[in-house]
Amino acid sequence: EPEVTQTPSHQVTQMGQEVILRCVPISNHLYFYWYRQILGQKVEFLVSFYNNEISEKSEIFDDQFSVERPDGSNFTLKIRSTKLEDSAMYFCASSPSGAAGYTFGSGTRLTVV
Amino acid sequence: AQKITQTQPGMFVQEKEAVTLDCTYDTSDQSYGLFWYKQPSSGEMIFLIYQGSYDEQNATEGRYSLNFQKARKSANLVISASQLGDSAMYFCAMRGSNDYKLSFGAGTTVTVRA
Repeated sequence: EPEVTQTPSHQVTQMGQEVILRCVPISNHLYFYWYRQILGQKVEFLVSFYNNEISEKSEIFDDQFSVERPDGSNFTLKIRSTKLEDSAMYFCASSPSGAAGYTFGSGTRLTVV
Repeated sequence: AQKITQTQPGMFVQEKEAVTLDCTYDTSDQSYGLFWYKQPSSGEMIFLIYQGSYDEQNATEGRYSLNFQKARKSANLVISASQLGDSAMYFCAMRGSNDYKLSFGAGTTVTVRA
């Protein structure tokens, strides 16, 4: 069964450093998403991406964050100048359309120290 | 904007028994989708079941069924014949008609006892 692949599974970074979280969505999917889950809390939407541009973003997704689809397969989330409160599980998801069929990756657990 | 409410932070259920997880939602959209996901301790998000707002029948997937009561705006998940492997956090989520993102509830932790 096709799956969404995220790397790395765990990342520890120093406060103030930049991190790039990588995702390979399912190949025929057209919509891509990033979500965040702070430990023990609900899953929060960050950004959606369609047709090589951001289609929607939440208020969490400020100038510190950016997304990119640098080639035909990867979808990345960059966090500039990380803060302690950026520590969370970050999930990538993709869907063939905007309506249904979301598939989540296994997540990247980011720890900022 | 969509809002999902899960009022049960945690539940215990005996192995082989059924458990119902509550989910209510609030939306002004006529067309929307409701989802349930399972998150085991390993952290991944596993899709369980989907119900469209215009689906006349309740969705079922194996041991999972969704008790959809549109007038009450509820979409409860029923897990039948609970297994030890069902111990996990369960999230109800919703997609509106004009956006494609999912809005999640706070989740319910289910612990299955032997």
